[in-house]
Amino acid sequence: SAVISQKPSRDICQRGTSLTIQCQVDSQVTMMFWYRQQPGQSLTLIATANQGSEATYESGFVIDKFPISRPNLTFSTLTVSNMSPEDSSIYLCSDLGTGERYGYTFGSGTRLTVV
Amino acid sequence: ELKVEQNPLFLSMQEGKNYTIYCNYSTTSDRLYWYRQDPGKSLESLFVLLSNGAVKQEGRLMASLDTKARLSTLHITAAVHDLSATYFCAVEGYGGSQGNLIFGKGTKLSVKP
Repeated sequence: SAVISQKPSRDICQRGTSLTIQCQVDSQVTMMFWYRQQPGQSLTLIATANQGSEATYESGFVIDKFPISRPNLTFSTLTVSNMSPEDSSIYLCSDLGTGERYGYTFGSGTRLTVV
Repeated sequence: ELKVEQNPLFLSMQEGKNYTIYCNYSTTSDRLYWYRQDPGKSLESLFVLLSNGAVKQEGRLMASLDTKARLSTLHITAAVHDLSATYFCAVEGYGGSQGNLIFGKGTKLSVKP
């Protein structure tokens, strides 16, 4: 299955600033996904990123707050904009992995704390 | 709206004991995933269940899927401390189309000597 490198692994940011999270996949993948895991909670899908088209956002998430780029088939970024303490979460990217056999592969996650 | 419910949410076990985690989901889906998450870590894929009646085993863990009952189980046999982690089940939303994984709330497992 694919290996996903995600960075930064953690960051502490001031409210009102923005942070860009990067995910690099070791093989070409058509679809990448961004999730948020709030403290002690489960994962919630933010958006789906396809190369060459606009990201598709889930209900409750908007492009102005979470702009996503997908410049090629191995790379994607998620920006958390104008941050507030409520944005403190773990953010994870994923892709489908090697077909259906291995399921979705997740990056190592970015632990964001907004102060 | 697809909902995924796991129970129990917290499980404290003694080493050597057996237990089952349950995952119920609310609409039709033929693909169910189990993941493990250690504290401060990302998600590790454990099982992918693709059809009704699917059963997969890895070490002390065995997962099964009953699509008619919309139920998956993760059975732990003779638990050991190394199994302590949070376990999530997830189902693909949007009628089973790829991409939108709906996760259960997770089961935090603690295995004590």
